[in-house]
Amino acid sequence: AQSVTQLDSHVSVSEGTPVLLRCNYSSSYSPSLFWYVQHPNKGLQLLLKYTSAATLVKGINGFEAEFKKSETSFHLTKPSAHMSDAAEYFCVVSSYSSASKIIFGSGTRLSIRP
Amino acid sequence: DAGITQSPRHKVTETGTPVTLRCHQTENHRYMYWYRQDPGHGLRLIHYSYGVKDTDKGEVSDGYSVSRSKTEDFLLTLESATSSQTSVYFCAISDGGQGVDTQYFGPGTRLTVL
Repeated sequence: AQSVTQLDSHVSVSEGTPVLLRCNYSSSYSPSLFWYVQHPNKGLQLLLKYTSAATLVKGINGFEAEFKKSETSFHLTKPSAHMSDAAEYFCVVSSYSSASKIIFGSGTRLSIRP
Repeated sequence: DAGITQSPRHKVTETGTPVTLRCHQTENHRYMYWYRQDPGHGLRLIHYSYGVKDTDKGEVSDGYSVSRSKTEDFLLTLESATSSQTSVYFCAISDGGQGVDTQYFGPGTRLTVL
């Protein structure tokens, strides 16, 4: 069985400060892990994904995430927040073998203060 | 952006009426998916297709049916809409069907059932 927990439903940071969005997962298989971003009234866009290669994954717009098997975590970080980063972020766990066994987290809304 | 369109983008209907949502892709991807997005739940898979006329159920398939007669089109039908089906519906596509394959999302359809 698989599950994913996003530990914060809402995170607020000041522009120029670091961003940390937390995600813990559970999987009986070797998981694939993703972060997607959703801007208001838009579809989801892939930020980055982990597929058992390098544990530190770099994505678009300066985001990165580190796969930590011992902690079952896949936290998303960015060194310096920008106003355009305000959006909803989803952590996703998937079975390596089947895209139909895909579980979305409940989302973290990121707000950026000027 | 991947060539995915959804129609209609917004729909208001009454309980008990049939509703069909359309997803159209120009990427010639084999896999197509329908999700619903509800507050606090992230996205949940309704049905998916792994080829023309090949479909299977997802996590929340009750009350929904799908059809795929052409590679580019994937239809989601609510035979008799209920208020619990008020949601935002997203179509996604992927080239492969494994969990490592990136899914590309359409812009969404906001459905309100009165």
